[in-house]
Amino acid sequence: AQSVTQLDSQVPVFEEAPVELRCNYSSSVSVYLFWYVQYPNQGLQLLLKYLSGSTLVKGINGFEAEFNKSQTSFHLRKPSVHISDTAEYFCAVSEIQGAQKLVFGQGTRLTINP
Amino acid sequence: EPEVTQTPSHQVTQMGQEVILRCVPISNHLYFYWYRQILGQKVEFLVSFYNNEISEKSEIFDDQFSVERPDGSNFTLKIRSTKLEDSAMYFCASRYWGWTDTQYFGPGTRLTVL
Repeated sequence: AQSVTQLDSQVPVFEEAPVELRCNYSSSVSVYLFWYVQYPNQGLQLLLKYLSGSTLVKGINGFEAEFNKSQTSFHLRKPSVHISDTAEYFCAVSEIQGAQKLVFGQGTRLTINP
Repeated sequence: EPEVTQTPSHQVTQMGQEVILRCVPISNHLYFYWYRQILGQKVEFLVSFYNNEISEKSEIFDDQFSVERPDGSNFTLKIRSTKLEDSAMYFCASRYWGWTDTQYFGPGTRLTVL
């Protein structure tokens, strides 16, 4: 079984400041890793995913994440945030085969202040 | 760009009533999923569906739940006798076929059980 822990439930940041949203996972098998974003009153949209290869993954809207196998982490970063980045961010994992159900973390609410 | 659609966006029902939540996955996708998110909690996997049968289900997906693909385009989740604790946002997702293909989510149906 897999589990995902997002260490911060809320992160307030000033506009144009850098941000890091933390994610740790636990799994006894190999997994794929994902970050999804949920804007108010919308569904979940994929930001980026790690499947294999380079541990630094770039996604949409200027976000990137780094996979660290030894620390079982997949932290999300952005060097300079905008008001439009205000949303809920979910880290998730799935097994690499089979039904590939997603196991989500609790979510981190990112609030950008002007 | 193709997208997953869900209807209705909001459903209000009385406890003990049956509800059917509808989803139209992306047309060439082969894997279908239902997830739910109780207010303030994490997104939880309910069931996955492939080749006209359930491929995996969670402990939440008990006998009161069922899924169906009644035609070539719709994917439905039925809750036979709703309980107060079924109140949640229900998300449908679909994935093409390969292990590295992304799950795309619909906007969700908010179910309120009174």
